[in-house]
Amino acid sequence: GAGVSQSPSNKVTEKGKDVELRCDPISGHTALYWYRQSLGQGLEFLIYFQGNSAPDKSGLPSDRFSAERTGGSVSTLTIQRTQQEDSAVYLCASSPQGGRDEQYFGPGTRLTVT
Amino acid sequence: GENVEQHPSTLSVQEGDSAVIKCTYSDSASNYFPWYKQELGKRPQLIIDIRSNVGEKKDQRIAVTLNKTAKHFSLHITETQPEDSAVYFCAADSSYKLIFGSGTRLLVRP
Repeated sequence: GAGVSQSPSNKVTEKGKDVELRCDPISGHTALYWYRQSLGQGLEFLIYFQGNSAPDKSGLPSDRFSAERTGGSVSTLTIQRTQQEDSAVYLCASSPQGGRDEQYFGPGTRLTVT
Repeated sequence: GENVEQHPSTLSVQEGDSAVIKCTYSDSASNYFPWYKQELGKRPQLIIDIRSNVGEKKDQRIAVTLNKTAKHFSLHITETQPEDSAVYFCAADSSYKLIFGSGTRLLVRP
């Protein structure tokens, strides 16, 4: 079956602009995660969804970051007034129920803020 | 909250030798410990995982060991091959999410 997909694969934006990153999880997976990976670094947890609810937003770096999930499926991560330090690869992952399930990662969106 | 530390940050081995990567965790409630492999420019992919009811698990050239008392777990790769070169991440579950280690860059020299 289809895996996790993300769009766009690459995004270059000017400082101060808003961007939207999209994640399509595996069908039927109730849990969805967003991570950020800076160049050569580890996986930084941003936010977790269970269905359409986000019980944990503790990883969002600032109030410029927000995310939503609709219909228990597609999720959008929005970054407002982008800064150069937002440049990174944003990875989405889904799992059947969350918790102690394998997480399946998407290919990521490489964001470059100029 | 959970904290996962991973060592070493880089590891270079000769093809055919073994490689060992170690992780420690802080939350005694953690029960699920996956290992992910990330090749350059690719997404992380699960290579093996272990749950707290077992102490060791093997899958061909890869094995993972878990010591819950000491709160550490390790990845062992035997007979390394150039295609094993990648970044490896350990993780531990913390309620509904995974906390990842900082990664180990493994280089297998032909």
